Amino acid sequence: AQTVTQSQPEMSVQEAETVTLSCTYDTSENNYYLFWYKQPPSRQMILVIRQEAYKQQNATENRFSVNFQKAAKSFSLKISDSQLGDTAMYFCAFSLPSSGTYKYIFGTGTRLKVLA
Amino acid sequence: KAGVTQTPRYLIKTRGQQVTLSCSPISGHRSVSWYQQTPGQGLQFLFEYFSETQRNKGNFPGRFSGRQFSNSRSEMNVSTLELGDSALYLCASSLELAAQGIQYFGAGTRLSVL
Repeated sequence: AQTVTQSQPEMSVQEAETVTLSCTYDTSENNYYLFWYKQPPSRQMILVIRQEAYKQQNATENRFSVNFQKAAKSFSLKISDSQLGDTAMYFCAFSLPSSGTYKYIFGTGTRLKVLA
Repeated sequence: KAGVTQTPRYLIKTRGQQVTLSCSPISGHRSVSWYQQTPGQGLQFLFEYFSETQRNKGNFPGRFSGRQFSNSRSEMNVSTLELGDSALYLCASSLELAAQGIQYFGAGTRLSVL
């Protein structure tokens, strides 16, 4: 069975600094997607970044980048130049696009607080 | 383009009652998935509807049910409410089946069961 683990329930970072959120997953499949979603205090969850497992190059999106280590089944999110608006709950997620049954699994989340 | 809209935003019910939550997906999206979010549990998948058919179902009791209409709008119903059903219920829409890509979430419905 596929699992997603986020081992850091809470983290904090000073404004303008860099922070890395950890995520590990477990699967025997070879073709899958990995995601980081952000849920600000207003609750609407939005996609931060997506990584396709067959792509070796790490995805980046402005200040957000991932370190995708397929062999280690690790998918960490790095936020550079942290801003107060980055304060949110961050969820790592995994999906199996070829599966006939539902396979979109979320971790339990990391609550990030950016300090002024 | 309008985002995913969930109504109502807040609900207060008592044990034993039933409740219906509504979700309007982004125009053109055919899949709607429902999740229950509680502190410490993350997001627990309830079910996914695609083109009016339930495609997948999570490990929730039969008290939780849903449906999707021809315009892709979806409703979720919970019967015989229990205290443990208090949670934030999120719906998410996607162009194709959820597992194939990006989901777009609504703001959620906060259900409190007294």
